[in-house]
Amino acid sequence: NAGVTQTPKFRVLKTGQSMTLLCAQDMNHEYMYWYRQDPGMGLRLIHYSVGEGTTAKGEVPDGYNVSRLKKQNFLLGLESAAPSQTSVYFCASSQGAVAFFGQGTRLTVV
Amino acid sequence: DQQVKQNSPSLSVQEGRISILNCDYTNSMFDYFLWYKKYPAEGPTFLISISSIKDKNEDGRFTVFLNKSAKHLSLHIVPSQPGDSAVYFCAASVQGAQKLVFGQGTRLTINP
Repeated sequence: NAGVTQTPKFRVLKTGQSMTLLCAQDMNHEYMYWYRQDPGMGLRLIHYSVGEGTTAKGEVPDGYNVSRLKKQNFLLGLESAAPSQTSVYFCASSQGAVAFFGQGTRLTVV
Repeated sequence: DQQVKQNSPSLSVQEGRISILNCDYTNSMFDYFLWYKKYPAEGPTFLISISSIKDKNEDGRFTVFLNKSAKHLSLHIVPSQPGDSAVYFCAASVQGAQKLVFGQGTRLTINP
């Protein structure tokens, strides 16, 4: 079982560049999430989706956009990367109260 | 405004002893609580959960206790093993809202 897969695992961006992080899940879950993890801050919710074609803002949405065109995929976009977006990004999916996480994407913006 | 707080960034315990990780929350609407474990370079994995209608849930070496009046939950691991060394996150949600709010995490180190 693949579960939740994130692409890429690592990336270095220059300030102002754009990129898209891809999340794919094979559990047929309705709900998908993007979190970021920063030292001392835990995991903070960026955006989430309650089903195909839907998206909603989380706790820290500024500077990010998302799309859920297919049920199994949830894309996180950075239009103009900033050093403050240096973080580890986790995608998750759920069908009930328990969320299942991908392995993470370590993004560095220089 | 941190709704879920883990006030101990780190904890060191001897192998075989009990590990107790604590978590406090401020939102009285939370009614479901979870603990996740995270190893370096991996995503968090679900460990154990508890509904607000219970005050204790046990799964093998892991027990979660919930004190609703104090808005406090704790995770007990006994006996602690070296493989338990990881970062532990507590999380809370309002059932039906499907969003988890996480604490800052506690790094547990089990010493031989």
